[in-house]
Parts: sequence; structure tokens; C-alpha cells
Amino acid sequence: DVKVTQSSRYLVKRTGEKVFLECVQDMDHENMFWYRQDPGLGLRLIYFSYDVKMKEKGDIPEGYSVSREKKERFSLILESASTNQTSMYLCASSRGGNYGYTFGSGTRLTVV
Amino acid sequence: KNQVEQSPQSLIILEGKNCTLQCNYTVSPFSNLRWYKQDTGRGPVSLTIMTFSENTKSNGRYTATLDADTKQSSLHITASQLSDSASYICVVSLTGTASKLTFGTGTRLQVTL
Repeated sequence: DVKVTQSSRYLVKRTGEKVFLECVQDMDHENMFWYRQDPGLGLRLIYFSYDVKMKEKGDIPEGYSVSREKKERFSLILESASTNQTSMYLCASSRGGNYGYTFGSGTRLTVV
Repeated sequence: KNQVEQSPQSLIILEGKNCTLQCNYTVSPFSNLRWYKQDTGRGPVSLTIMTFSENTKSNGRYTATLDADTKQSSLHITASQLSDSASYICVVSLTGTASKLTFGTGTRLQVTL
């Protein structure tokens, strides 16, 4: 069964901390994505990557960065966590085109 | 502005009943439309993907329809089960790039005894 694995289901961090969210896929997909999901807003794209070491800003990249050193791993970094970054973070991967996205189970991050 | 609107926002039905969820979109140029099911606290799981030329697609008790002329889609659930309780998200993809998905805010379905 193909999988996208996010390293943590729940995370609590303090304001100002540097936070790493890890995502690994085992499907050899070129494209990987980070979204955040907030009530009433739907999923919003933070960053995506279509190849190793390549990254593109999504709709809400401010306060975030990403790293893709290997094809299977895509990391989201909160440089200095703030309370408005409390959210559900979802990683996804895709072969592209009309192929579907496979999502991870999500990481619910709370910044206090 | 590219938008995807879903209705109703939430829905409660009795187990065994059918229901239909609606999705209207203004995304252009259109590539495909997807329906996802998202259980509480979990990531979305794909139910169907339809391209411009397809107007119906089934996945078990789930049947999606697409009218590309009116830019409307529906998801019909037959003989609902308690496990169908979830959010159902309509997602529209722009032509030409894998990154350009526009998500609806979802319909929250609760199936009760």
C-alpha cells in the first residue's frame, strides 16, 4: 500500500521555536506539497517541489521554508513559530498530470 | 478569481439513506475535478477524479457527476453507512501544472442511527 508518512500526529511548540515537520513518500513521486488546513478556509498551499532541491512558493509561504534533499523526503520548516501558525499541516505527493494526490495523515501543530 | 464552492456546509442523514453533495466552481482553464473524503483528524483520501470529457464516475457507493458546461459537480452517496461520516472536499485542478489545485471548504456529513 502506497504511503505518505508524516513524522508527528500532534506537536506542541513554543512561540519563537524553530519547528521541523517531516514528510516521506514511498511512491517515487516527483511532486510533493505542503498544505495547511484551517476551519472554514479549506486547504491552502504553502510550498511545493517538483524535483529534488527544487521548490516553489505556494499561496501562503510567509514564515515557512522547505527542504527537499532526497526525492522521497520533503520537510517544512517554521523558522520562528508564531501562534497564528497553529494549524493542521498536510503533506501530499503526486505523479502529476491527472493522477491523484496521496495525502499524509496530517500533523496538528499547536504553538503556545 | 478561481473558486470552488460546496453546499451544503453540513448535513445529517439517517443510516441507509442516500444523499447528494454539490460543488460549483469557477476555475479556468479546467483540467480535472476530484472528490476527497476526510475523516476527522486524518488526511484526505481520493474518491474520484474526472477529466473534462467524463460526466460520471463511480467508486462503490460513491458516484460523482460533472457538468463542465455549467461548472457543477455532485457526489451522490447511496445507502449511507456510519463510516461515511466525514468531510467531503471538492478539488479542481487547473490545466498545465500539478500545483494549481483549488480546494472547496468541504461538506461535513454525519450519518446517524
